[in-house]
Parts: sequence; structure tokens; C-alpha cells
Amino acid sequence: DIQMTQSPSSLSASVGDRVTITCRASQSISNYLNWYQQKPGKAPKVLIYAASSLQSGVPSRFSGGGSGTHFTLTISSLQPEDFATYYCQQSFSTVWTFGQGTKVEIE
Amino acid sequence: QVQLVESGGGVVQPGRSLRLSCAASGFTFSSYAIHWVRQAPGKGLEWVAMISYDGSNKFYTDAVKGRFSISRDNSKNTVDLQLNSLRAEDTALYYCARAHFLTGYDYWGQGTLVTVSS
Repeated sequence: DIQMTQSPSSLSASVGDRVTITCRASQSISNYLNWYQQKPGKAPKVLIYAASSLQSGVPSRFSGGGSGTHFTLTISSLQPEDFATYYCQQSFSTVWTFGQGTKVEIE
Repeated sequence: QVQLVESGGGVVQPGRSLRLSCAASGFTFSSYAIHWVRQAPGKGLEWVAMISYDGSNKFYTDAVKGRFSISRDNSKNTVDLQLNSLRAEDTALYYCARAHFLTGYDYWGQGTLVTVSS
């Protein structure tokens, strides 16, 4: 199975900060990479699909980039509602796999 | 509107079985693959199994192969996940999600909790 590794596993930031989360795949997955946000007690919500496409309704402060094995999720100006856990996921192989998650906390 | 509703969770002893169901509405069910994803308490997301739009392809994570079985009924808009030989490590909130390989999971259910304990 393709392994997905996120970094960092957690971070502390302030409102207004620029935040970048990295996701690496154990083999090339082209651009079959999705990003999800999960808040406590809620199902995950897709933010970015196909590495860089913004899901409808998601604020433009979220952006994704990368291809092959290295991907990033950037929040350009962190807002109070963005404090959550973020997961990357590959949809390249028949067995989809998630990264371990990055928890974004208030500094 | 698109809805996915899971049911069937509960408390079960190790070695016993449970059948989860995912009922879909608001979209052309027979056009989409459905996946199951679980989340152990306080842990991350783990992909469990998938079934293709027509039921012809089924895949499982290694941890559940031979114990879990996925099926669908496109006439009833449902996907079932049969959980056999349950272990303590299967304790989790189980979500079903509508899937597309290009767009990921655009809709999720609210989850159904499975607790394996003696």
C-alpha cells in the first residue's frame, strides 16, 4: 500500500498566520491527492481535491500544491474556524490511504 | 440533497459479528463507488474498504481482509459492511463516504460507533 506521511503532526499558530502542512507519498501518485479538514465530533470535509482544486464553498485562503510525491496545504491567513485536524489522502491506488493527520492549535 | 446515513453499530464481544449499513439518497447511487473509513477513539482516519459503483470491484485494507465483507444493493441504495471475527482494535466510528478517484470523498455520513469489548 502507498504510505502517506504528513508533517508536522501538530502545530500551534495564531489568527492571521500563514500555515503550511506537508504530505509525502511513498511512491508517485501524480496529482491524486486530497485534503480534508476535521473538527471534533464531525465527519471530515474535503477542502482540496486533485492536489490543487478548491472544493466548492471552501474559502480561497486554502490552497494546495504539488505532484508526484510531495504535496502541500497552505492556509494563507489562519482564521478561528480553521483550528482543526487536517488529513491528506491519496486516491491513486485501489487502496486509498490517509496521512496521520496534522492538528492545528491556537498558540 | 445528498445524504448518507450509517446504522448498525453497537457493543459486541470479541469474535462476534456485526453488520453495518449505509443508506444513500439525493443522488444517482448506482453511479458512485462507496467507501468505508473508520476512526478509532482519539486517532486518525483509516480507510477500510470500498465497493465500485456496480459492485464488481471490492477492496479491503489488510487489517480486515478475510474478516470484513462489503456489498451493495443498487435497487435499495444501500451498502453493507459485514464485520466478522471482531477484535478490540476494530473499535471505531465507522463512516461511509461517496467516492470519486478525482474528487475524493465529497459526502460523508455521520458515522456509526462499533465497540468491541468483553
